[in-house]
Amino acid sequence: GAGVSQSPSNKVTEKGKDVELRCDPISGHTALYWYRQSLGQGLEFLIYFQGNSAPDKSGLPSDRFSAERTGGSVSTLTIQRTQQEDSAVYLCASSLAGLRGHGYTFGSGTRLTVV
Amino acid sequence: AQSVTQLDSQVPVFEEAPVELRCNYSSSVSVYLFWYVQYPNQGLQLLLKYLSGSTLVKGINGFEAEFNKSQTSFHLRKPSVHISDTAEYFCAVSDPGANNLFFGTGTRLTVIP
Repeated sequence: GAGVSQSPSNKVTEKGKDVELRCDPISGHTALYWYRQSLGQGLEFLIYFQGNSAPDKSGLPSDRFSAERTGGSVSTLTIQRTQQEDSAVYLCASSLAGLRGHGYTFGSGTRLTVV
Repeated sequence: AQSVTQLDSQVPVFEEAPVELRCNYSSSVSVYLFWYVQYPNQGLQLLLKYLSGSTLVKGINGFEAEFNKSQTSFHLRKPSVHISDTAEYFCAVSDPGANNLFFGTGTRLTVIP
């Protein structure tokens, strides 16, 4: 596609429920990133996928968070047993062949609210 | 790991006035530096980037930034702002061998008519 697409754009869920957030990167971009943007705290790196390599999960805040990328394209970020502190905007970005100075192209994000 | 400091969380400025948004990063042998802009309810958009070469980098929408290695800074400037420049601005840095970018906490630029 022309840009990075994320769905849903907004999600309200009850505490304790599981949620899935979807990211469809730009066609041909082999690198895919997930970030979390909390109010007043900038962007927090969560996870990075590059081609068929094992993902870099070093930013995931707890074992309730997981992500997968099927067929080197679409990615799903799953948060299990959501907590109120999980409320944030979750941003996906893709890039050509890893960072290497290309910078990212970001999606518009999914605003998650846990009530 | 790299870290990025954006000292000004909010910067109000009158329309057509100049503006500078400050960014400092932790020291490293070499880095890539980026500025992103986020308009309300949108994702982040790349404004400009420094990879190597000339220390003055020009970006979209009339913005420019200067890489200063000795001061480990990459301040963003615009000589005359417009109402449409009202947005959140993020500075980001990476080591060339890193997998990800490290972002600052952002500076909210508000242009006053």
